Amino acid sequence: AQSVTQPDIHITVSEGASLELRCNYSYGATPYLFWYVQSPGQGLQLLLKYFSGDTLVQGIKGFEAEFKRSQSSFNLRKPSVHWSDAAEYFCAVASSNDYKLSFGAGTTVTVRA
Amino acid sequence: DTGVSQNPRHKITKRGQNVTFRCDPISEHNRLYWYRQTLGQGPEFLTYFQNEAQLEKSRLLSDRFSAERPKGSFSTLEIQRTEQGDSAMYLCASSLEAYEQYFGPGTRLTVT
Repeated sequence: AQSVTQPDIHITVSEGASLELRCNYSYGATPYLFWYVQSPGQGLQLLLKYFSGDTLVQGIKGFEAEFKRSQSSFNLRKPSVHWSDAAEYFCAVASSNDYKLSFGAGTTVTVRA
Repeated sequence: DTGVSQNPRHKITKRGQNVTFRCDPISEHNRLYWYRQTLGQGPEFLTYFQNEAQLEKSRLLSDRFSAERPKGSFSTLEIQRTEQGDSAMYLCASSLEAYEQYFGPGTRLTVT
């Protein structure tokens, strides 16, 4: 069965600074990987996805993520954060059989002025 | 495209009561998923449908839980004899075939 680990529970970053959120997955075959963002009281919004091909994927809101098979990682990055990026971020992995998602526990991002 | 909608958004019930939640997926999406999210955790898979067929149920889904998707359109999730441990956010998502899932705003259940 697939699983996801997000090592950082909470990250605080200054507005305008860069952000990197870590994600490590466990899955025997080629995974389908996703990053979602959840604002308070809201559902999850898809930021980006990796299915195959180029290992650096671009998403919405200026986010990007890089798939590294050798490290079983799919870290999320943003060069310059905005106050509106404060939210909870979830990494997820799906199998190619049924596409149900397995989520990490999430990383809460706080943006300070 | 109006997105995935869920009703109600909030539900407070007493222990032992039955509750039912509804999810309306994005039209033409043939897959529909239910997840449960507790405080400080990521969502956990409960069950999913392809059209009207329920293809998989998680072991998290006890006998008190039942889900339906009549005619392959909206779906309902019913919890019978609610327990305090059922308090959580219940999320619905839909997808077209096997592509990315789009989530609704969720139904927050509080069992007192």
